[in-house]
Amino acid sequence: GDSVTQMEGPVTLSEEAFLTINCTYTATGYPSLFWYVQYPGEGLQLLLKATKADDKGSNKGFEATYRKETTSFHLEKGSVQVSDSAVYFCALIRFSGGYNKLIFGAGTRLAVHP
Amino acid sequence: DADVTQTPRNRITKTGKRIMLECSQTKGHDRMYWYRQDPGLGLRLIYYSFDVKDINKGEISDGYSVSRQAQAKFSLSLESAIPNQTALYFCATSDAGTGNEKLFFGSGTQLSVL
Repeated sequence: GDSVTQMEGPVTLSEEAFLTINCTYTATGYPSLFWYVQYPGEGLQLLLKATKADDKGSNKGFEATYRKETTSFHLEKGSVQVSDSAVYFCALIRFSGGYNKLIFGAGTRLAVHP
Repeated sequence: DADVTQTPRNRITKTGKRIMLECSQTKGHDRMYWYRQDPGLGLRLIYYSFDVKDINKGEISDGYSVSRQAQAKFSLSLESAIPNQTALYFCATSDAGTGNEKLFFGSGTQLSVL
């Protein structure tokens, strides 16, 4: 079945460092791909998305490019801030059981230190 | 005020007890969901509802039941709680027009079953 695999955390970085969080997926066809972020004590919120191959999603300085050749959707940010500390979830959407179902990865915790 | 409100925020209960987690929303969305989050497993769908008369099982519905009392209210019940139901539970909503891609989450209920 469809699945999403993320790199294990935690990822610990100093402020202004470059961030990459790896995400690969297994699916038939070309599902839409998403990154959700969960700040401490809050629910998840949509960060960015890409709906077709070679699309780049971007928001708040974060970017991810839909790579069908490598079935990947890695999240990147050029210069992280302490406020980016959160858990990041990669997800895909699949039509199943009569509706579009979101399938989440296990999440990667990011800790940014001053 | 939060758009998706979950109560309680934290709950400790004993094995065999019946408990109810409540969710209300002011977003006017027809679609509501219950997820559980476990470390290393990401989010898994328990139940979802597309309107008051439409309730469906998700991937891990055993041991749970739900009630959609109104468009804005969706409650999750554990009829007889067991320790492996200890988890962080999230309620979420979506607008049918977005194709379920963008979920709006509550802040979660941390449930501990002793």
